[in-house]
Amino acid sequence: GENVEQHPSTLSVQEGDSAVIKCTYSDSASNYFPWYKQELGKRPQLIIDIRSNVGEKKDQRIAVTLNKTAKHFSLHITETQPEDSAVYFCAASNQGGSYIPTFGRGTSLIVHP
Amino acid sequence: EAQVTQNPRYLITVTGKKLTVTCSQNMNHEYMSWYRQDPGLGLRQIYYSMNVEVTDKGDVPEGYKVSRKEKRNFPLILESPSPNQTSLYFCASSLSPDYNEQFFGPGTRLTVL
Repeated sequence: GENVEQHPSTLSVQEGDSAVIKCTYSDSASNYFPWYKQELGKRPQLIIDIRSNVGEKKDQRIAVTLNKTAKHFSLHITETQPEDSAVYFCAASNQGGSYIPTFGRGTSLIVHP
Repeated sequence: EAQVTQNPRYLITVTGKKLTVTCSQNMNHEYMSWYRQDPGLGLRQIYYSMNVEVTDKGDVPEGYKVSRKEKRNFPLILESPSPNQTSLYFCASSLSPDYNEQFFGPGTRLTVL
């Protein structure tokens, strides 16, 4: 089955800095890679996603890059703000195949004012 | 308001006492799923359903049952709960299996003594 590794497990940055979270996956059939943000005590919410037919996607201060050859994808947050503090999860799934998403273990991002 | 609801939000029970956690969505979504979230392990899918009367196992189905008799409801049943099922449970739904965003419920924190 699919295995998703996520690093780092915790990330502490100063407000205004950039943050990068990396994930690797094992199943070359995976073709959909979402990122979820979970604030303390809240439910996970989708913030950005990418399909395997594109290499990069951007939405304001967040971007995701995908390297299919190396089987890794990354979340980039620029100009971080205290409200970006949360746990971020990456996931990989085979849309059109098993549909079962495999999540990474999460990265706790702390943005210091 | 479009939403996924779960009940109860908090539950403390004892080993072996059957319980049901309800999940309901009002968005006419085809795809529904259940996850458990444990510290350091991220989100793991328990069961999913592509549509009414169609359910399938996720990554960690042991000890759980589900049913999908109506499109809007997807209850999670623990026939004989054990302490290792103490966890935070999330129900989620999406328009279809191929549709990107999963909408999560607020979560149910279950403690089995």
